[in-house]
Amino acid sequence: DTAVSQTPKYLVTQMGNDKSIKCEQNLGHDTMYWYKQDSKKFLKIMFSYNNKELIINETVPNRFSPKSPDKAHLNLHINSLELGDSAVYFCASSQGGNGLDEQFFGPGTRLTVL
Amino acid sequence: AQSVTQLGSHVSVSEGALVLLRCNYSSSVPPYLFWYVQYPNQGLQLLLKYTSAATLVKGINGFEAEFKKSETSFHLTKPSAHMSDAAEYFCVDNQGGKLIFGQGTELSVKP
Repeated sequence: DTAVSQTPKYLVTQMGNDKSIKCEQNLGHDTMYWYKQDSKKFLKIMFSYNNKELIINETVPNRFSPKSPDKAHLNLHINSLELGDSAVYFCASSQGGNGLDEQFFGPGTRLTVL
Repeated sequence: AQSVTQLGSHVSVSEGALVLLRCNYSSSVPPYLFWYVQYPNQGLQLLLKYTSAATLVKGINGFEAEFKKSETSFHLTKPSAHMSDAAEYFCVDNQGGKLIFGQGTELSVKP
């Protein structure tokens, strides 16, 4: 039973398109996150939500909009995709939101913008 | 700003040899440090974490790390490498609820 799942696993699209990535966790955690991993494997947090409320919003272009319909789901919508958005996006969850608890990561979504 | 520096983007060891992956942090307040591992084409998995309870922290799969405040280091070690240890390893610091990642070290294990 997958703890943190993401769909799709691969996403190939043209510049200018709008796309969404979905994330679900079945761990009962209160906090969920989105991370971006670039081609050099550098990881950076983008957003975090605690009980459906946004608590971390890094300097991410406003083309990226997270949505949390309930505490088990955190989706990422990206408008007007650009070449630089190509990366692997990871969803994660943890019980608490103070960063001290283990974060459980999904398998990642590899986004390629052509 | 806090940062995490991993020395060596790629480390190669022989099977059975000691694994040493280096990490230095720059936090001015007591840090909360982690090591995460990423196996090929997978998400990250926690290996171990330091939260000031003990300076020597044991993790999964035989890994351990020692927190040395005087050296601002949190190096990861394993006495004997296995082929299955080949992966990307990230040293991570917690900055007010945000995880700050080092640039990662790719570990290769030769038979």
